[in-house]
Amino acid sequence: EAGVTQFPSHSVIEKGQTVTLRCDPISGHDNLYWYRRVMGKEIKFLLHFVKESKQDESGMPNNRFLAERTGGTYSTLKVQPAELEDSGVYFCASRQRLGNYPGELFFGEGSRLTVL
Amino acid sequence: AQSVTQLGSHVSVSEGALVLLRCNYSSSVPPYLFWYVQYPNQGLQLLLKYTSAATLVKGINGFEAEFKKSETSFHLTKPSAHMSDAAEYFCAVSEPGNQFYFGTGTSLTVIP
Repeated sequence: EAGVTQFPSHSVIEKGQTVTLRCDPISGHDNLYWYRRVMGKEIKFLLHFVKESKQDESGMPNNRFLAERTGGTYSTLKVQPAELEDSGVYFCASRQRLGNYPGELFFGEGSRLTVL
Repeated sequence: AQSVTQLGSHVSVSEGALVLLRCNYSSSVPPYLFWYVQYPNQGLQLLLKYTSAATLVKGINGFEAEFKKSETSFHLTKPSAHMSDAAEYFCAVSEPGNQFYFGTGTSLTVIP
């Protein structure tokens, strides 16, 4: 079974440019999450999809970030225009709820974004 | 509100020595607790989880963690460190119906 895959693994862009990150969750996982880690800091929640619906987007930093999950399969996270403080590693994770147990998160390898 | 505190951003141990990585949490309800490990250039991988069954949880690679409600702790231990244990370790908490919250991570160095 394929795990969570993310693309690209590393992106270097200039301030003001646009970047789109993609995440393919584990097949059958309705819940998809985006997290970000800035160096040395905690892994911070960005948003949560249940199928194609945004369940919680309280962690999105501002309106320069746009996440979509059309059809409830893969998801994209677009940053437009990128700023220096957007640099970090963006992780995608998916899980499947099992009764009352939330189910552990399965992570992709992350997309490292460097904004110059 | 949930939060996780990992004491010590960097821990060094000698090969064969005890590994102890500390995690304290805050939660208004009985939580689910997790330890994840990240090896270089890889994603986070689940080490072990506490889901309100046994308070002593055994995970992969010889790691275990004990849930102590009175201390709101979930420290990760391994009796004997191996060079392959060098990685970054993250503690996470989740309340039913809520999100996962992660600590800042602890980087483990194993000295030969």
